[in-house]
Amino acid sequence: DQQVKQNSPSLSVQEGRISILNCDYTNSMFDYFLWYKKYPAEGPTFLISISSIKDKNEDGRFTVFLNKSAKHLSLHIVPSQPGDSAVYFCAAIGVGSQGNLIFGKGTKLSVKP
Amino acid sequence: GEEVAQTPKHLVRGEGQKAKLYCAPIKGHSYVFWYQQVLKNEFKFLISFQNENVFDETGMPKERFSAKCLPNSPCSLEIQATKLEDSAVYFCASSQSQLGEQYFGPGTRLTVT
Repeated sequence: DQQVKQNSPSLSVQEGRISILNCDYTNSMFDYFLWYKKYPAEGPTFLISISSIKDKNEDGRFTVFLNKSAKHLSLHIVPSQPGDSAVYFCAAIGVGSQGNLIFGKGTKLSVKP
Repeated sequence: GEEVAQTPKHLVRGEGQKAKLYCAPIKGHSYVFWYQQVLKNEFKFLISFQNENVFDETGMPKERFSAKCLPNSPCSLEIQATKLEDSAVYFCASSQSQLGEQYFGPGTRLTVT
């Protein structure tokens, strides 16, 4: 049973607009959440993270929102750029875990010029 | 170094042969994690190390997989008697702390024929 779910396999956005990528989780013991970006034939690149004690974290064009009651987080990219086109993975770390990441299946973002 | 290095980039093995993959973590990072990416987007945790000690091996198929992180040497992941289902991209990641951002290498693509 998947503990981290990214229900949209793909998303297409116009350059300059906002991209919103969503992630749901089922395990209330998750303590820390991360977003990674992945280009083909490369390793995942860390983007931004958020602790469960916060509801928002911002870094430049990237903002992550966490809604613990809904077990939902989202990544906002604004403004979107063609270079943002990649697969985005949501990942979680559990309280008391040994730190291994539990990944969603990813959302492929296409930003059109 | 400043990046996680993985070698080789590609590895082709006949079924039943041995495969050995290497990972050099970022200097100063105490934790190393191995993940297997199959079916393009699914990441599976295999094993983690704190320095040269196994930290968590709950994801390892123990009958054929083994891993080491020895002082002053790259970490390694070895698969004895490879099977077709071992075909995947194997990623190594390192981090400064147990619960925090992990930085990934470019991966090793293993093809078992």
